[in-house]
Amino acid sequence: EAQVTQNPRYLITVTGKKLTVTCSQNMNHEYMSWYRQDPGLGLRQIYYSMNVEVTDKGDVPEGYKVSRKEKRNFPLILESPSPNQTSLYFCASSLVSGAGEKLFFGSGTQLSVL
Amino acid sequence: RKEVEQDPGPFNVPEGATVAFNCTYSNSASQSFFWYRQDCRKEPKLLMSVYSSGNEDGRFTAQLNRASQYISLLIRDSKLSDSATYLCVVNRRSSNYKLTFGKGTLLTVNP
Repeated sequence: EAQVTQNPRYLITVTGKKLTVTCSQNMNHEYMSWYRQDPGLGLRQIYYSMNVEVTDKGDVPEGYKVSRKEKRNFPLILESPSPNQTSLYFCASSLVSGAGEKLFFGSGTQLSVL
Repeated sequence: RKEVEQDPGPFNVPEGATVAFNCTYSNSASQSFFWYRQDCRKEPKLLMSVYSSGNEDGRFTAQLNRASQYISLLIRDSKLSDSATYLCVVNRRSSNYKLTFGKGTLLTVNP
């Protein structure tokens, strides 16, 4: 089954404790992206990747890191989480094609930073 | 002007009603347009892409007006299962390859 898998689904942590949210897709998609969703602010892009070893900042990259060592994986790293990073996070992937791209989203990760 | 703006909502309609959502975008270079549906706290899912000629999928019709820079979504004969948040999404194809999401409009269809 074609899917984007995010883990964990829920995460509670404390300020400053490094964490990684994993994202994996099995559709051989070139494009992958991370979003955060906050009430009243909608979905905002954190980082995206056009292909292996190609990453770029989205609208709200501060406090986050990503890597794209393999095509299928795109982990989101919070080196020193802070309470303002409490949010619902989504990973997404798509083909990079000409006419318009359907995004496939993971199920989301609800992160709480205390 | 915000990059993507949607009707603030929420919309509460009875079953069987016709409801329309509008979305405006600020960047005239935008090339791809979509409507996504999101159920509460779940992942967004593509409802339909929006083409210049307009497109229809069953009870759903999407239209694009490039001159006025807005897109619309019309839902006919609303069902209870249509209750969700509808997100307008605009892709400005550039070296940044950015997708901009509207904040969404909440629709509740009542029995």
